Amino acid sequence: QSALTQPPSASGSPGQSVTISCTGTSSDVGGYDYVSWYQQYPGKAPKLMIYEVNRRPSGVPDRFSGSKSGNTASLTVSGLQAEDEADYYCSSYAGSNAYSVFGTGTKVTVL
Amino acid sequence: EVQLLESGGGLVQPGGSLRLSCEASGFTFSSYAMTWVRQAPGKGLEWVSGISSSGSYTFYADSVKGRFTISRDNSKSTLHLQLNSLRAEDTAVYYCAKIGYNNGHKSYYFDYWGQGTLVTVSS
Repeated sequence: QSALTQPPSASGSPGQSVTISCTGTSSDVGGYDYVSWYQQYPGKAPKLMIYEVNRRPSGVPDRFSGSKSGNTASLTVSGLQAEDEADYYCSSYAGSNAYSVFGTGTKVTVL
Repeated sequence: EVQLLESGGGLVQPGGSLRLSCEASGFTFSSYAMTWVRQAPGKGLEWVSGISSSGSYTFYADSVKGRFTISRDNSKSTLHLQLNSLRAEDTAVYYCAKIGYNNGHKSYYFDYWGQGTLVTVSS
C-alpha cells in the first residue's frame, strides 16, 4: 500500500488560510469517507483534528475544516495562528486487506 | 480520561526481538479496536498493525507481515506488539492508538494516542 501524497510544505501569514491536499486512489481516499487528519508537534504524539472527511472532534477549533473530491481530500486551516505551525498528516481507510494508510505529511509554517 | 501508556522499547540488534505493550485506561478497552503506528526518526507516520476488539481479527502492513504479531489481553486492558526478525528500518517511535467509532460503527480514525516508545535496531 503506497502512502497518500501530500505537499511537503505549506505556509501562510497569521489570519490567512492554508489548504493541504491529500491524494490517493479509488482504493483508499476515493473509495471511503474515512479520511482523517492529524496535527503533530515535534517530539509529540499526533492529535486528531478531522475525522470522516469533515467532522471535528470536540475541542478542535472550527478554523479547521475538511473536504473531499474524488481521490483527493483537503484540510483547510482558516485564520492561521502561530500555534497552527506543525506537521499535518492525512489518513484513509484502505480496505480490509490494507486497513489504513497515512499521507506523506505537510509542514505548515506560519510566516 | 483516556490514557494509553506504551512500554518495552529499547536497543536491539538486527535479527533480534522485542515485545511492546500498551496499557489502556479511561475507557472500556474490550469494546474498541486498537492499532499500532510507527514513525522513523525525521520521517512520517506509518500504520503498522490493527486488531479487532475481541482479538479475533488482526491486520498488518506488508512491511511487517510475518515478523510482527499484534495481540491483546482484554482482562488487563493491554495491547501488545511482538517484534521479531528486526531490521534497521524498523527503528522508530511506536505509538499505540485507539480506533474511533461513530454511532457504534468502526470509523477507522485514531482518536487517542499514547506518548510512544522508541525502538532502535542497531549493532
